[in-house]
Amino acid sequence: GENVEQHPSTLSVQEGDSAVIKCTYSDSASNYFPWYKQELGKGPQLIIDIRSNVGEKKDQRIAVTLNKTAKHFSLHITETQPEDSAVYFCAATQGNNRLAFGKGNQVVVIP
Amino acid sequence: DGGITQSPKYLFRKEGQNVTLSCEQNLNHDAMYWYRQDPGQGLRLIYYSQIVNDFQKGDIAEGYSVSREKKESFPLTVTSAQKNPTAFYLCASRGGGNQPQHFGDGTRLSIL
Repeated sequence: GENVEQHPSTLSVQEGDSAVIKCTYSDSASNYFPWYKQELGKGPQLIIDIRSNVGEKKDQRIAVTLNKTAKHFSLHITETQPEDSAVYFCAATQGNNRLAFGKGNQVVVIP
Repeated sequence: DGGITQSPKYLFRKEGQNVTLSCEQNLNHDAMYWYRQDPGQGLRLIYYSQIVNDFQKGDIAEGYSVSREKKESFPLTVTSAQKNPTAFYLCASRGGGNQPQHFGDGTRLSIL
C-alpha cells in the first residue's frame, strides 16, 4: 500500500518568513495529493490540493509543488502569520478512493 | 449550512461498554470515512463506505463496527473488544468523481 512520510515533524518560523513542508510517497500510481490544516480540537481542513497532471498550484500565500519523478510534493507558505500556526497533514491516494496520510507537521509561527 | 456533524464532542466509556459515535452529513456525498487519530500520529482509516448499504474495513477495523443505512449517516460503534479506544475520532465524506474528503470536527473518546 501507499506510504507517506512527512518532514520535518516540527517547524518554527519567524512571522513574515516562509515555511516549507515536504512529503514523500511510495506508490507511483498515486494521482491526487491534498494538504490539510488542523487546529487544536478541530477536524482537518483542506487548504490546497494538486493532481498528478500538474506540477504546481498556488492559492494566495499557499502553494504546492509536485515532483512525480522523485515522488515528493511540498507545501509552501509565504509571509507567515500567527494564524498559520497549526498541524499540517499531507496525503496521497491509494486504491479504492482512499487516502494515506503523513504523520503531520507542527508549524509554529513566532510573532 | 452544509457540512459534517459529529456528536458528541466528548464521550466517556466504562470498561466493557460499547459506545456509538454519530456522523451526519448534508452534503449529499456518497462516500464516508472513519479515522482514528492518536497524539503525534497521522490519521488511520477504520472503516469506509462508498455507497449506502455497503462498507469496507480500513487498516484498523478490529474492535469497531459501522452501518450505512442512510446516505447522510455513518455511525461508528466502538465495541468492548477494542482494548485501547482512547483517541480522537474523525469522520469524513467525499462527493463523486475526484472530489476531496472533508472532515467533521471529531469526537474525543476517553475511558473512565
